[in-house]
Amino acid sequence: EAQVTQNPRYLITVTGKKLTVTCSQNMNHEYMSWYRQDPGLGLRQIYYSMNVEVTDKGDVPEGYKVSRKEKRNFPLILESPSPNQTSLYFCASSWTENTEAFFGQGTRLTVV
Amino acid sequence: ILNVEQSPQSLHVQEGDSTNFTCSFPSSNFYALHWYRWETAKSPEALFVMTLNGDEKKKGRISATLNTKEGYSYLYIKGSQPEDSATYLCALMEYGNKLVFGAGTILRVKS
Repeated sequence: EAQVTQNPRYLITVTGKKLTVTCSQNMNHEYMSWYRQDPGLGLRQIYYSMNVEVTDKGDVPEGYKVSRKEKRNFPLILESPSPNQTSLYFCASSWTENTEAFFGQGTRLTVV
Repeated sequence: ILNVEQSPQSLHVQEGDSTNFTCSFPSSNFYALHWYRWETAKSPEALFVMTLNGDEKKKGRISATLNTKEGYSYLYIKGSQPEDSATYLCALMEYGNKLVFGAGTILRVKS
């Protein structure tokens, strides 16, 4: 089954404790991206990747890192999480920037 | 950064009503316009991707149009059903490969 898998689905952590949210897709998509969803705001792009070893900042990259060492995986790293990073996070992938995006199930992160 | 606006913010209709909502954007300088349907507790799912002025797409009772010259896209739902209740998201893929989303239109269909 074609899918984008994020883990974990839910996470509560403390300020400053490094964490990684994993994202994996099995569709051989080249384009992958991370978004955060906050109440009253649209999905905002954090980082995106056009292909292996090619990543770039989205609109809200501060406090986040990503890597794309393999085509299928695109982890999101929070080196020192802060409460303002409490949010719902989605990973997505697509063939190209012109084609529909497939979204993961979402990760609800709470930083206390 | 493109500003993508969606209206209305929310909509309550009766089963069987037809409805439409708008996605507005200031520029024709983008690769593609996307529409997604997002049900509560699920992931957004793609409805349409449109790239050309005058594009019209249809999937069952849902259709969409794109007018890049005047900067808008309409999403239509014919004969709304309770299962159509969801948040409908519009997004523009900018040159530079950033996907910019609007805040969404929340649709509630009462049976």
